[in-house]
Amino acid sequence: DAGVIQSPRHEVTEMGQEVTLRCKPISGHNSLFWYRQTMMRGLELLIYFNNNVPIDDSGMPEDRFSAKMPNASFSTLKIQPSEPRDSAVYFCASTPFDYNTGELFFGEGSRLTVL
Amino acid sequence: KNEVEQSPQNLTAQEGEFITINCSYSVGISALHWLQQHPGGGIVSLFMLSSGKKKHGRLIATINIQEKHSSLHITASHPRDSAVYICAVKNGTASKLTFGTGTRLQVTL
Repeated sequence: DAGVIQSPRHEVTEMGQEVTLRCKPISGHNSLFWYRQTMMRGLELLIYFNNNVPIDDSGMPEDRFSAKMPNASFSTLKIQPSEPRDSAVYFCASTPFDYNTGELFFGEGSRLTVL
Repeated sequence: KNEVEQSPQNLTAQEGEFITINCSYSVGISALHWLQQHPGGGIVSLFMLSSGKKKHGRLIATINIQEKHSSLHITASHPRDSAVYICAVKNGTASKLTFGTGTRLQVTL
C-alpha cells in the first residue's frame, strides 16, 4: 500500500493567496484527520471526517480554513486568504477503525510557508 | 498544567542503552498513542493502547490507567532510534487527541 499521500510537500506563498492542501487516505480507511504542527503549539487536530462526513471541526482556527472530503479517497484543506501565522506543517492521517480504537497512519506532511 | 506531560523533554543516550520515556495525563482516557517523528518530519504510529503492555521489536509500551501514566521503553538503543517521541491521549468523550510536547531522543555511537 502506498500509505497516506499528501501534496504538495512544500508550499511557499504570499500573504493573501489561497492555499489548497490535498490528501489521499489509505484505501479502505474510513476516518481521516487533518492536523497542524507548529513549534509553539505542537500537533493540533483541525478536523476529523468519518465516512466522508465532517464529525468534529472545532479545531479549525477560523473561517479562513475549510476542509472537504468529496469521496472516500480524497480530501482537501483550503486556507483563503492565507496569513503568515498559518505557516506550519499540515499532516493528514487516516485510520481503518473506529476512532476510539484505531491506529493512525500519517502522511509525510505539507510544509506551508506564508510570507 | 498541560493535560499531557512528557518527560524528559530531551534525552541523549549511547548506543545500546535502555531508554524510558514517560507520559502522564490528567484526564480519563479511552486510548493512548505513542508516535515517532524523525528529523525528516514524518510521523509514524508506534503503539495504540488502552491497557496493559504492547511490544514490537525493541519497543515496549506500558500503561497504568489508575496512575494515569504510560511509558515507552527502547531496549538496545541504536542511532536510528533518534527521533521525537510523542504521546497522545484520547479522552473517552471527545474526538480529539491531546498531544504531549514530545521527547527528543538522540542516540550516539
